Amino acid sequence: DARVTQTPRHKVTEMGQEVTMRCQPILGHNTVFWYRQTMMQGLELLAYFRNRAPLDDSGMPKDRFSAEMPDATLATLKIQPSEPRDSAVYFCASAQTGGANTGELFFGEGSRLTVL
Amino acid sequence: RKEVEQDPGPFNVPEGATVAFNCTYSNSASQSFFWYRQDCRKEPKLLMSVYSSGNEDGRFTAQLNRASQYISLLIRDSKLSDSATYLCVWGVNFNKFYFGSGTKLNVKP
Repeated sequence: DARVTQTPRHKVTEMGQEVTMRCQPILGHNTVFWYRQTMMQGLELLAYFRNRAPLDDSGMPKDRFSAEMPDATLATLKIQPSEPRDSAVYFCASAQTGGANTGELFFGEGSRLTVL
Repeated sequence: RKEVEQDPGPFNVPEGATVAFNCTYSNSASQSFFWYRQDCRKEPKLLMSVYSSGNEDGRFTAQLNRASQYISLLIRDSKLSDSATYLCVWGVNFNKFYFGSGTKLNVKP
């Protein structure tokens, strides 16, 4: 089964440290999304890429977060420096969008981040 | 205001009951709608798309009311395995997808 792969699955770090989360989208999907999920805010869209180009990162705190897609098989989300309020589950999702596609998003299992 | 609003619940229902969730959206330009299901500590997964004419998939029925800007999900004959959080989603141009905070359903024996 094709699936979205995220690493790490769990990360505990101290405030001020850099955190990098990685995502391998499903081969052939042209759109990659980063979401953050917390109890208070639910699923928030942070950024998304289509054909590796960043289309929208307005949901992301620009001063500390950055998202890139260095190639079609890898998307990264970096937090530097991390803060306790960044503690959340970060999901990557990929989809084939455009044309007659349904737009179904396929999610990875998430990266659970705890910043102490 | 969030783009998508949902009653967080929980909805506690007995097995066999019929339960309905609503979800309101704020952007009249919204173009596509979906229901996702998320089990505890798992990733969201697509349950069904929502079409303008309404659609049914087994025990699940989804409806869209554009005039009032809400979508609904009806579950008939609830099963224990239906216990989960149900997320409504609206999308723009099939490129950008916003999720509601979810409605938690507990089906009891």
